[in-house]
Amino acid sequence: TQLLEQSPQFLSIQEGENLTVYCNSSSVFSSLQWYRQEPGEGPVLLVTVVTGGEVKKLKRLTFQFGDARKDSSLHITAAQPGDTGLYLCAGPPPDAGNMLTFGGGTRLMVKP
Amino acid sequence: NAGVTQTPKFRVLKTGQSMTLLCAQDMNHEYMYWYRQDPGMGLRLIHYSVGEGTTAKGEVPDGYNVSRLKKQNFLLGLESAAPSQTSVYFCASSYFARGTYGYTFGSGTRLTVV
Repeated sequence: TQLLEQSPQFLSIQEGENLTVYCNSSSVFSSLQWYRQEPGEGPVLLVTVVTGGEVKKLKRLTFQFGDARKDSSLHITAAQPGDTGLYLCAGPPPDAGNMLTFGGGTRLMVKP
Repeated sequence: NAGVTQTPKFRVLKTGQSMTLLCAQDMNHEYMYWYRQDPGMGLRLIHYSVGEGTTAKGEVPDGYNVSRLKKQNFLLGLESAAPSQTSVYFCASSYFARGTYGYTFGSGTRLTVV
């Protein structure tokens, strides 16, 4: 069982639709990060959220950190084919070292 | 800026063969990491280093060894490759291990063990 569970695992939508992906844990995290990975490349950091209830926006992407700091969501408005990729959440495990642990990812495909 | 460079990009090994994956970063980062990525399992930490001359085990270290002789380089070795080690390997680096500092990843090495 992974410390960070992401849902859905796969998502295929049409261009222009909105979507939300989720990252959940039973543990409290001091911060969570979101990465996007394109085929054949390594993950690239999109955002870090550190405060419970925090909302950050990056153009059409909205990231939220849960009030209890156990979950996070990524909402994309009017998805575009360029948003296609694997979205990963990650955070430092509580009481278990200093390294980032990653969720299993949500693979998003946006069809034109 | 080169960032994190991994070599090779692709490799096919026979069971029992050995190889070394090379990772180099030019950002003067203290921390470096090796992850493997398998379908549906995200990224799992193999080994990491908090500075030149140091290494430590991650979540899935068995069958791998690492060395950090120079601050900019982090090597991952497979002494006797097994089919279970077929995966995509990513190297990453960062200023700090936790908190708000993100990781910079290389573009990966796709390894197939037959």
